[in-house]
Amino acid sequence: EDKVVQSPLSLVVHEGDTVTLNCSYEVTNFRSLLWYKQEKKAPTFLFMLTSSGIEKKSGRLSSILDKKELFSILNITATQTGDSAVYLCAVRNSGGYQKVTFGTGTKLQVIP
Amino acid sequence: DTAVSQTPKYLVTQMGNDKSIKCEQNLGHDTMYWYKQDSKKFLKIMFSYNNKELIINETVPNRFSPKSPDKAHLNLHINSLELGDSAVYFCASSLPSGGAYEQFFGPGTRLTVL
Repeated sequence: EDKVVQSPLSLVVHEGDTVTLNCSYEVTNFRSLLWYKQEKKAPTFLFMLTSSGIEKKSGRLSSILDKKELFSILNITATQTGDSAVYLCAVRNSGGYQKVTFGTGTKLQVIP
Repeated sequence: DTAVSQTPKYLVTQMGNDKSIKCEQNLGHDTMYWYKQDSKKFLKIMFSYNNKELIINETVPNRFSPKSPDKAHLNLHINSLELGDSAVYFCASSLPSGGAYEQFFGPGTRLTVL
């Protein structure tokens, strides 16, 4: 069964800090890894990673994938209170069913 | 607005009732999903449809029955509701299932069973 484990489960930091969120996975026939941010409502898409070692960047957020060691990290620099959310990691397999498996999420709280 | 929409946003009902949640996407996607998110925020896939055909059916009680009248719609009907069905149900859609595409989520339907 496909499995996604995120750590830490929760994190409290001060504004301006840099955080690193971790995601490790076991999946049959890996196709892609996705990061989402969930505030009060629906998850919103951040990044999709398919190749090892290529950093994806969007403003203060960046992410990288290691397909050999089966993990990804999401970095947030100069955190702001608006970054407070649950960050979800998911993996999609390339089997006939294209299943997407989510991790339990990391709850990030940024305090002023 | 191009989006994934769900109705209703909130649903409060008694045990034993039957209810439906509707989902529509106007993004031109051909794959749609239903997820259940529990109180601990764990998102678990329930069903996936590709071009109106069921392609994923996880271990979900057969009280839950999805129906896809066309590519843009995926509805979820729940019979004989139980307390444990209380959760947020998210609909999502994505581009062709053969590719590495992200999913776009609807706003969720918070179901409370009393």
